[in-house]
Amino acid sequence: DAGVIQSPRHEVTEMGQEVTLRCKPISGHNSLFWYRQTMMRGLELLIYFNNNVPIDDSGMPEDRFSAKMPNASFSTLKIQPSEPRDSAVYFCASKASGFANTGELFFGEGSRLTVL
Amino acid sequence: KNQVEQSPQSLIILEGKNCTLQCNYTVSPFSNLRWYKQDTGRGPVSLTIMTFSENTKSNGRYTATLDADTKQSSLHITASQLSDSASYICVVSARHNAGNMLTFGGGTRLMVKP
Repeated sequence: DAGVIQSPRHEVTEMGQEVTLRCKPISGHNSLFWYRQTMMRGLELLIYFNNNVPIDDSGMPEDRFSAKMPNASFSTLKIQPSEPRDSAVYFCASKASGFANTGELFFGEGSRLTVL
Repeated sequence: KNQVEQSPQSLIILEGKNCTLQCNYTVSPFSNLRWYKQDTGRGPVSLTIMTFSENTKSNGRYTATLDADTKQSSLHITASQLSDSASYICVVSARHNAGNMLTFGGGTRLMVKP
């Protein structure tokens, strides 16, 4: 299995531009998570989905952030408009459900976002 | 409020030496505790999981301990190698009706020098 796949790995953009981060979870995993990591705050949960349905989006900073999961194999995190304080590494993670669920999160390699 | 505190924040040791990382938590109701290793520029990877009934678990040169009474866990690394340089993150899971809720520690950044 290729693991969780994220794109792009690096994104540099200017303030005010729209940013879209993409994630393909591990096949068969029913839960998908978006995290943001900074030196100051560590890993913060933004939103998570179960069976493509958003369950908890209380970590989404503000209306500029939105996430979708149109099907079991794809999710996006969009920031519009972007601001310099959004600069961080964004991780997508997936987890199995049911009897296969050991609670382990499988992380992608992250998308490093820099907003100038 | 559920919290996970890790210490030290950073640590530098010489190759071949041992070290111990600490994790204190106030998470309830406790389900399990995981240690993740995060190499620079990569995503975290699970090293080991501790459940309520487990005191010690080893994974190669990594040994995790759990004291559920004092709500403390440690990760001991034996005979450190340069490849152990990474951040180590303690993640505690709490049981809830909607499923398990995860609380992340801030991590310990370990540097192993030759």
